[in-house]
Amino acid sequence: GNSVTQMEGPVTLSEEAFLTINCTYTATGYPSLFWYVQYPGEGLQLLLKATKADDKGSNKGFEATYRKETTSFHLEKGSVQVSDSAVYFCALSPPAGGYQKVTFGTGTKLQVIP
Amino acid sequence: DVKVTQSSRYLVKRTGEKVFLECVQDMDHENMFWYRQDPGLGLRLIYFSYDVKMKEKGDIPEGYSVSREKKERFSLILESASTNQTSMYLCASSLWEGPNEQFFGPGTRLTVL
Repeated sequence: GNSVTQMEGPVTLSEEAFLTINCTYTATGYPSLFWYVQYPGEGLQLLLKATKADDKGSNKGFEATYRKETTSFHLEKGSVQVSDSAVYFCALSPPAGGYQKVTFGTGTKLQVIP
Repeated sequence: DVKVTQSSRYLVKRTGEKVFLECVQDMDHENMFWYRQDPGLGLRLIYFSYDVKMKEKGDIPEGYSVSREKKERFSLILESASTNQTSMYLCASSLWEGPNEQFFGPGTRLTVL
């Protein structure tokens, strides 16, 4: 079956540091890949997505590139802010339409200190 | 602004009570989902629905049921709440077509005493 593995947290960084959160996946075909973010006390919200190999998703300074050869979708940001403190989830959805179960990683908590 | 809303942010119930969690979306999405979120376990799918009156079991349906009488509304029912159902419950919706990008509600933190 499909699976998503993301790095264990928590990750603690100083403000303006470079962020990488690793995500690798197992799936057949070409799934769609997502990063969701969950701020304290809230639901998940989509941060970025990529639907085919070599696509780069980007939003709010965050980027991730769909790497089919390494089955990875690592999240990066050049300079983090305190407001980026949240839990980040990597996820995948099989390529076909209709109902398709989304597989989520277990989440990585990011804490940014001033 | 598109939205998924949940009826309560916080709920406290007693063991054995029947509990209803309501979710409404205004995006005309076909698919709707209920997850529970627990520390260290991530998100686990309880039930989903792809159409009115249609439902499918997810990974952990035991102790839960659902109802979808209208396209925009998806209810999660705990027939007899137990302490091990204390959790954060998240509702989500998505389109039938496309990459299955999910839109989440703010969550309901349920405590069963």
